[in-house]
Amino acid sequence: DVKVTQSSRYLVKRTGEKVFLECVQDMDHENMFWYRQDPGLGLRLIYFSYDVKMKEKGDIPEGYSVSREKKERFSLILESASTNQTSMYLCASRGAYSNQPQHFGDGTRLSIL
Amino acid sequence: AQSVTQLGSHVSVSEGALVLLRCNYSSSVPPYLFWYVQYPNQGLQLLLKYTSAATLVKGINGFEAEFKKSETSFHLTKPSAHMSDAAEYFCAVSYSGSARQLTFGSGTQLTVLP
Repeated sequence: DVKVTQSSRYLVKRTGEKVFLECVQDMDHENMFWYRQDPGLGLRLIYFSYDVKMKEKGDIPEGYSVSREKKERFSLILESASTNQTSMYLCASRGAYSNQPQHFGDGTRLSIL
Repeated sequence: AQSVTQLGSHVSVSEGALVLLRCNYSSSVPPYLFWYVQYPNQGLQLLLKYTSAATLVKGINGFEAEFKKSETSFHLTKPSAHMSDAAEYFCAVSYSGSARQLTFGSGTQLTVLP
């Protein structure tokens, strides 16, 4: 089974802090994704990566950056955290083909105070 | 552009009753379709997928879905609801050549009444 592991289930940070969310997958997947999930807004794509050091903006990239130095690891960075970034963050990975499903981690519930 | 519509943000059924969660898609090319389930404070778990083979797809936990091209639908069903089925369900679509994201529906919260 595919395993996608997010480093934290719950995280509390303060406004202005630089926040790192880590995600690791064990299936040698080419594609990795970061979403945020908010009540009434569904899942929204922040960034995705299709290869090491390659990234593309999703629908809501403002205020975020990403890093993919190794194939198995994809990091989401909040450069200067703000209260409107309080949310559930979900990481996913997928193989090379679009008919393959995305596999999700358990999520990180981030609170910015 | 592709889109997914899930009719009914909240559905309630009695334990033992039929579960029917609706999903309609809009895509200009043949789609790949997925159903996911999300339990509280967890990530999304794949229930089943349609990738242009059989139109009736069986998934985990007794769920199945039927792809109907003429109706652009991919409704999720289960003959008999169990209390453990209470969760949020998401329909999603992608298509060939897309390296990008799934397009998700807005989700349907399923409540199972005793």
